[in-house]
Amino acid sequence: QKEVEQNSGPLSVPEGAIASLNCTYSDRGSQSFFWYRQYSGKSPELIMSIYSNGDKEDGRFTAQLNKASQYVSLLIRDSQPSDSATYLCAVNLRHTGRRALTFGSGTRLQVQP
Amino acid sequence: NAGVTQTPKFRILKIGQSMTLQCTQDMNHNYMYWYRQDPGMGLKLIYYSVGAGITDKGEVPNGYNVSRSTTEDFPLRLELAAPSQTSVYFCASSFTSGTDYEQYFGPGTRLTVT
Repeated sequence: QKEVEQNSGPLSVPEGAIASLNCTYSDRGSQSFFWYRQYSGKSPELIMSIYSNGDKEDGRFTAQLNKASQYVSLLIRDSQPSDSATYLCAVNLRHTGRRALTFGSGTRLQVQP
Repeated sequence: NAGVTQTPKFRILKIGQSMTLQCTQDMNHNYMYWYRQDPGMGLKLIYYSVGAGITDKGEVPNGYNVSRSTTEDFPLRLELAAPSQTSVYFCASSFTSGTDYEQYFGPGTRLTVT
């Protein structure tokens, strides 16, 4: 089992729809969770961070965290073609002892005009 | 602020050659990181540093070395390059206190070893 797991996709949604991206992680003691967006050929760009159970909203993006289920998700409302990218989930896995993030392999999102 | 800068952008190495990838940040961040990303894959941590003079191994450190003599710079050294080191290398930095690991990435270096 991967320590940070994401469906590779592609996830295809029509323009204006809600895109839902999911991520599970292996370490129940983890406390820091992040979503990055990566356009093809570019570097990852931080979108959201979340540390507490529940929802956190920033514009069209909502991050959701459920530590009991070891699950974090990203919702993108009113999806635009410019949202087409790979979305990376990242977690600080406490059991590794590393003061750094472990990344999932990413979910490719395609927003159809 | 330039943020995180990396040089070079592209490099082709022959097997057995060595090189240093440069990384500089101007955000006064205390933590710095090196990741590699193979095609279609996520990021794998090579090494990281929590401050000048302090470095630690990540998931895939073999074949690499790092040093951090200043807050701003975190070079990555490849010794005896191998085809398996063909990848895109990203440097990142964060101002980390407690559990805040919001990392900001440089533009990357695309390395090919033939």
